[in-house]
Amino acid sequence: KNEVEQSPQNLTAQEGEFITINCSYSVGISALHWLQQHPGGGIVSLFMLSSGKKKHGRLIATINIQEKHSSLHITASHPRDSAVYICAVPRGADDKLIFGTGTRLQVFP
Amino acid sequence: DVKVTQSSRYLVKRTGEKVFLECVQDMDHENMFWYRQDPGLGLRLIYFSYDVKMKEKGDIPEGYSVSREKKERFSLILESASTNQTSMYLCASRTQGSPYNEQFFGPGTRLTVL
Repeated sequence: KNEVEQSPQNLTAQEGEFITINCSYSVGISALHWLQQHPGGGIVSLFMLSSGKKKHGRLIATINIQEKHSSLHITASHPRDSAVYICAVPRGADDKLIFGTGTRLQVFP
Repeated sequence: DVKVTQSSRYLVKRTGEKVFLECVQDMDHENMFWYRQDPGLGLRLIYFSYDVKMKEKGDIPEGYSVSREKKERFSLILESASTNQTSMYLCASRTQGSPYNEQFFGPGTRLTVL
């Protein structure tokens, strides 16, 4: 079993739809990261959160530490949101990151 | 604006060639990382460097070596490229002891080994 699992692997949506991407992890963590990777490769950090909820524009990230689960929501999705979304958690004491395999989102006009 | 750059976006090499992938960061970060990214596997750590001239093997170091002679530059070397090293290679950096472990990524190098 992978230490970080994401679902779904692929997601298509119509512009304007509400999107949810899920991340479950099996290790104890200090913080969870949500990352975005656009076609062409570069990765940018969207959120780091250790509890509760964070919001940035149309993106909302939530985390439930007890259940070891996090969700990334996109409200009013737009074609420019099309990307791969990756969650990552620190791997215990050595503080390296473990990455999920990513969720590929395509939003059509 | 923070920046991590990689020497090439796309690279095509032949089996057996020696390949150098260069990564440069301008943030004075101590820690630097090389990952490879493959479909269905996510990002996997190849090598990590705590600081200049310091390196540590990651999860998949076989077939790779690294060099960190200057703080801003971290090089990944494929001594004898093989077709199973065809992949996307991503470099990242972070400041030592950064809260929550935020890493800054380069744009990636898509390497094809023929």
